Amino acid sequence: GNSVTQMEGPVTLSEEAFLTINCTYTATGYPSLFWYVQYPGEGLQLLLKATKADDKGSNKGFEATYRKETTSFHLEKGSVQVSDSAVYFCALSPVGTGTASKLTFGTGTRLQVTL
Amino acid sequence: SAVISQKPSRDICQRGTSLTIQCQVDSQVTMMFWYRQQPGQSLTLIATANQGSEATYESGFVIDKFPISRPNLTFSTLTVSNMSPEDSSIYLCSALGGGGTEAFFGQGTRLTVV
Repeated sequence: GNSVTQMEGPVTLSEEAFLTINCTYTATGYPSLFWYVQYPGEGLQLLLKATKADDKGSNKGFEATYRKETTSFHLEKGSVQVSDSAVYFCALSPVGTGTASKLTFGTGTRLQVTL
Repeated sequence: SAVISQKPSRDICQRGTSLTIQCQVDSQVTMMFWYRQQPGQSLTLIATANQGSEATYESGFVIDKFPISRPNLTFSTLTVSNMSPEDSSIYLCSALGGGGTEAFFGQGTRLTVV
């Protein structure tokens, strides 16, 4: 079956540090890939997405590139802010749906950014 | 984008009772889903709520335990039946928007069973 593996947290960084949160997946074919973010006390929000190999999703300074050869979708940001403190979830949608339906999520990575 | 409202936002329930969670979307959507997020764990898909027909359940989830209704394109309910402490979780409603390429989520219902 499909699965998503994320690096375990928490990840603690100082403000303006570089962020990488690793995500790898197992699925047949070419699933769609997503990063969701959950700020404290709030629901999940889509951060970025990529629907085919070599696509780069980007939003709010965050980027992730769909790497088919390494089955990865690592999240990066060049300079984090305290306001980026949240839990980040990597997710995939199965091949053939062409949509964000029936998502499989990773376990989530908590990011804490300090001054 | 779609705005999803869930009620209640949290509840504490006695074991053996049932709780119905409501999910209202501010626009018509083709697909709605229910997820569970157990403490310290990731989200797991419970079922797809189908409008006008029975929900489609994922492995490990059954209709008797989690009956779902979807009477129209903007509303769905999930009932957690005969609850036990193991059902303590956050339950989230989700709907597809953006032409189906984006999933929107409600803020979740935090359920504690005592």
